[in-house]
Amino acid sequence: DSGVTQTPKHLITATGQRVTLRCSPRSGDLSVYWYQQSLDQGLQFLIQYYNGEERAKGNILERFSAQQFPDLHSELNLSSLELGDSALYFCASSGGTGAGTEAFFGQGTRLTVV
Amino acid sequence: DAKTTQPPSMDCAEGRAANLPCNHSTISGNEYVYWYRQIHSQGPQYIIHGLKNNETNEMASLIITEDRKSSTLILPHATLRDTAVYYCIVRKINFGNEKLTFGTGTRLTIIP
Repeated sequence: DSGVTQTPKHLITATGQRVTLRCSPRSGDLSVYWYQQSLDQGLQFLIQYYNGEERAKGNILERFSAQQFPDLHSELNLSSLELGDSALYFCASSGGTGAGTEAFFGQGTRLTVV
Repeated sequence: DAKTTQPPSMDCAEGRAANLPCNHSTISGNEYVYWYRQIHSQGPQYIIHGLKNNETNEMASLIITEDRKSSTLILPHATLRDTAVYYCIVRKINFGNEKLTFGTGTRLTIIP
């Protein structure tokens, strides 16, 4: 158990809909990262937040947005969903005070758009 | 971030040491070498990281060449559960920690 919790584990929704994926980082970790992994594809970095502020942005679509709340949990919002958005979405956290720099990943949310 | 080059696939017999190479010839002085693995579609799992000294933990050893242009991850006694995709990543360590940029990795298959 990495200590990073993602909910829900599975999500099936229709095209055009909007969904929210949630990530609870390890206790004390300040950085949260979101990744997308499509079928048989690599892990694509989407976005990073550090202590509530956006720190880095990857190839995240305009239809996607994220935020990190004061309690440090993060949400990834995906809107106007398309079939091609079907993927595994992983969240990772790192950077707790006094902790190492390793990033630990959750078990992911499998999104299926039908 | 510096890029890495890994063989796309490797096989290793169960019980033997698995040695996974990684080239990172453009690594800069403030970049660390990280190794992660992904078993099936699970979340990537941290294995080990280092800057220039060799490192060992309960999972693996990391050997970094003196010029830091390449490294080798060693799984000392591979088991079937070590079958996974292994990623070598170079990453700056700054305040707030940089993102991890994953390449295509090495698909390691442990043969019974």
